[in-house]
Amino acid sequence: KAGVTQTPRYLIKTRGQQVTLSCSPISGHRSVSWYQQTPGQGLQFLFEYFSETQRNKGNFPGRFSGRQFSNSRSEMNVSTLELGDSALYLCASSSINDRAPGNTIYFGEGSWLTVV
Amino acid sequence: AQSVTQLGSHVSVSEGALVLLRCNYSSSVPPYLFWYVQYPNQGLQLLLKYTSAATLVKGINGFEAEFKKSETSFHLTKPSAHMSDAAEYFCAVKGDFGNEKLTFGTGTRLTIIP
Repeated sequence: KAGVTQTPRYLIKTRGQQVTLSCSPISGHRSVSWYQQTPGQGLQFLFEYFSETQRNKGNFPGRFSGRQFSNSRSEMNVSTLELGDSALYLCASSSINDRAPGNTIYFGEGSWLTVV
Repeated sequence: AQSVTQLGSHVSVSEGALVLLRCNYSSSVPPYLFWYVQYPNQGLQLLLKYTSAATLVKGINGFEAEFKKSETSFHLTKPSAHMSDAAEYFCAVKGDFGNEKLTFGTGTRLTIIP
């Protein structure tokens, strides 16, 4: 079974540009979450999507947005990039199961974004 | 609000020695607790999770953790450290069923001394 796949793995953008990151969850998983990891702030929750609906959102500015498609694949977009947006962006997926609370959340390898 | 606190941003142990990484949680509801490991330039890999089924949880690579409600702790241990255990370890707490948000601790970097 393939894991969580994120593309691209590495990218460099210029301040003011926008970027789109893609995530394919594990087959059958309908919940996709995004996290930002930086040395200064650690791992911070961005948002979570389930069945194409955003269910939960972290404390990030509106420049950060996302969406989920009918096949559960997800994208996140950051507009008007700032130097501080340089980070590892991690996607995670999970299978919501009524009979298994505390279900496992699986992470991808991440997308390394450098803003110059 | 839920949170976890990891004591010690850096821990060094000798190869073959006991590994103990500390995590304390704060939660107003019964928590779901996780330990993840991150190797350089990689994503997060689940080591183990607590979901109230058993207080002593065994994970991969010889790691285990014990949930202690009275101490609000979920410390990670391994009896004998191996060089391959060098990595960063994150404790995380998840909310109620249906809330997939993980709140992470600040991480502990584990160094193994040969």
